[in-house]
Amino acid sequence: DIVMTQSPLSLPVTLGQPASISCRSSQSLVHSNGNTYLNWFQQRPGQSPRRLIYKVSNRDSGVPDRFSGSGSGTDFTLKISRLEAEDVGVYYCMQGLHWPWTFGQGTKVEIK
Amino acid sequence: EVQLVESGGGLAQPGGSLRLSCAASTFSFSSYWMSWVRQAPGKGLEWVALIKEDGSEKYYVDSVKGRFTISRDNARNSLDLQMNSLRAEDTAMYYCARVGDTNSVDCWGQGTLVTVSS
Repeated sequence: DIVMTQSPLSLPVTLGQPASISCRSSQSLVHSNGNTYLNWFQQRPGQSPRRLIYKVSNRDSGVPDRFSGSGSGTDFTLKISRLEAEDVGVYYCMQGLHWPWTFGQGTKVEIK
Repeated sequence: EVQLVESGGGLAQPGGSLRLSCAASTFSFSSYWMSWVRQAPGKGLEWVALIKEDGSEKYYVDSVKGRFTISRDNARNSLDLQMNSLRAEDTAMYYCARVGDTNSVDCWGQGTLVTVSS
């Protein structure tokens, strides 16, 4: 199975400041079709997960542009340009290249 | 708006069975792969099973192979998960999830809680 490793696991951030979460996969997530199947999800307290980013850097409809994804191969990053109170929650990266698709351990973002 | 509504969760004894269901609406259910994803209390997310649009292909995580069966009824817009030989470690919130063409979940249900305990 592909192992997804996130860091940090806990991220206290001051409101209005940037946040960055790293995700590393145990093997390249590049498919033979050229797509890279790396996604980011947000789970607010008490809610179902919600996808933010698909295929590394594509924002889902309705996702604020303060969220951005980048990376390639095995190293990926989710950035929040200016943290807002509604961004508190756990963030997961996820690979969809090989079954079983796997998630990272999650990064808990909280207000400092 | 896409709707996925799970039902069937509850308390089961170790070794027992439960059947989860997911009712889908406001999208063309038969055009999408569907899946079940679970989350143990206070833990992260784990894929459980995946089924192709027409039900001809099914995939399971190793920990549930031989015990869980995913199925779908496109005429009724419903997705099921039959869970047998339940173990304490199957205790989790189970989410019904739609899989988009990006090998990822683009819509989630609210979840149904399964507790396995004597």
